[in-house]
Amino acid sequence: DAAVTQKPRYLIKMKGQEAEMKCIPEKGHTAVFWYQQKQSKELKFLIYFQNQQPLDQIDMVKERFSAVCPSSSLCSLGIRTCEAEDSALYLCSSSQPGTDYAEQFFGPGTRLTVL
Amino acid sequence: AQSVTQPDARVTVSEGASLQLRCKYSYFGTPYLFWYVQYPRQGLQLLLKYYPGDPVVQGVNGFEAEFSKSNSSFHLRKASVHWSDWAVYFCAVSLMSNYNVLYFGSGTKLTVEP
Repeated sequence: DAAVTQKPRYLIKMKGQEAEMKCIPEKGHTAVFWYQQKQSKELKFLIYFQNQQPLDQIDMVKERFSAVCPSSSLCSLGIRTCEAEDSALYLCSSSQPGTDYAEQFFGPGTRLTVL
Repeated sequence: AQSVTQPDARVTVSEGASLQLRCKYSYFGTPYLFWYVQYPRQGLQLLLKYYPGDPVVQGVNGFEAEFSKSNSSFHLRKASVHWSDWAVYFCAVSLMSNYNVLYFGSGTKLTVEP
């Protein structure tokens, strides 16, 4: 079965600490997306990678996050200095762009709690 | 700018009853629209998707949705709800010009009563 893996599932950090979460996209997928979901509300787009290169990201990511895809089978999203407002579920998705719209497959997420 | 509005934060229906979850979008042009479902402690799963064409699209598990350009809507329907449909449902829009990034509504939490 297709599956996007995310680790860890739960992450607890103190305010000011660094946080890192990882995503293993579905095999063969070249597009990777990160979304932030607070309190089961809408998902907010954070950053998009195509062939391991970041092609689009929101200002918050540029300012406070670090995101890389060092290989086609691993991506990571980091927060340099955690703040309380960063507490959220971070969802990774992957897709294989093609001639038709490429469906995104989502992982289960990493739930970050900042104390 | 594009946006998606789901006006009902919570909906409760009885098992076996029909269901409609509302979604309104704001976008200049014809969008690509989606409904996703999120079960507890799981990621999102695609229920159905709309590309320009037939306004009624069929999805998994008996779900369907109807696109209306005049109403800027993409409501989700199901004829008979099952207890396993208890979940949070998200409507989303994609702009093909933006690498297929999804823009989501705030979600509707569906509760199914016995």
